[in-house]
Amino acid sequence: DAMVIQNPRYQVTQFGKPVTLSCSQTLNHNVMYWYQQKSSQAPKLLFHYYDKDFNNEADTPDNFQSRRPNTSFCFLDIRSPGLGDAAMYLCATSRGGSGYEQYFGPGTRLTVT
Amino acid sequence: SQELEQSPQSLIVQEGKNLTINCTSSKTLYGLYWYKQKYGEGLIFLMMLQKGGEEKSHEKITAKLDEKKQQSSLHITASQPSHAGIYLCGAVHGQNFVFGPGTRLSVLP
Repeated sequence: DAMVIQNPRYQVTQFGKPVTLSCSQTLNHNVMYWYQQKSSQAPKLLFHYYDKDFNNEADTPDNFQSRRPNTSFCFLDIRSPGLGDAAMYLCATSRGGSGYEQYFGPGTRLTVT
Repeated sequence: SQELEQSPQSLIVQEGKNLTINCTSSKTLYGLYWYKQKYGEGLIFLMMLQKGGEEKSHEKITAKLDEKKQQSSLHITASQPSHAGIYLCGAVHGQNFVFGPGTRLSVLP
């Protein structure tokens, strides 16, 4: 089945040690999103790619970067994770921009020790 | 304040009971999405409402959009334990897609 896949499902990293989360999609969607969701809170959009165009949310810390080498893959890089970055990271895709349904992956739960 | 408010924050119902979750927007709604999230998992799309007065149903879940009130309701009929989870509404506000804080639903067998 076409889907959004996130790897790994659980990631433990040390304070300050760079970490990369991966997302892939078989839907051939133009847009890929990264959200951060902390416990009992709504998902918060970090950034998104519309094709190769990168769109950063104004309040996304510089510590968070993203790469989209091709249509299918998108990566979230956290350069120096802090304890406050522990969260569920959700990847989503959509066929177009606003107004289109977003399809979510299962998420990667990041723990920072 | 939140751009999307949801009520109630949490809900515990007995299996077989009906329930309603509300989502209210502080801005004009051009579309409203409902998602369900089980603990520790990603979001599952339920339905999208685009026009005022629109109503959609999927199995025992019905959602309505009241554009004038900038509000949507999600109604579950004859709830089952499989309905348990967090229900989130989402909407496009300007160029951003925002989520409500979620409503946590527990269904007691």
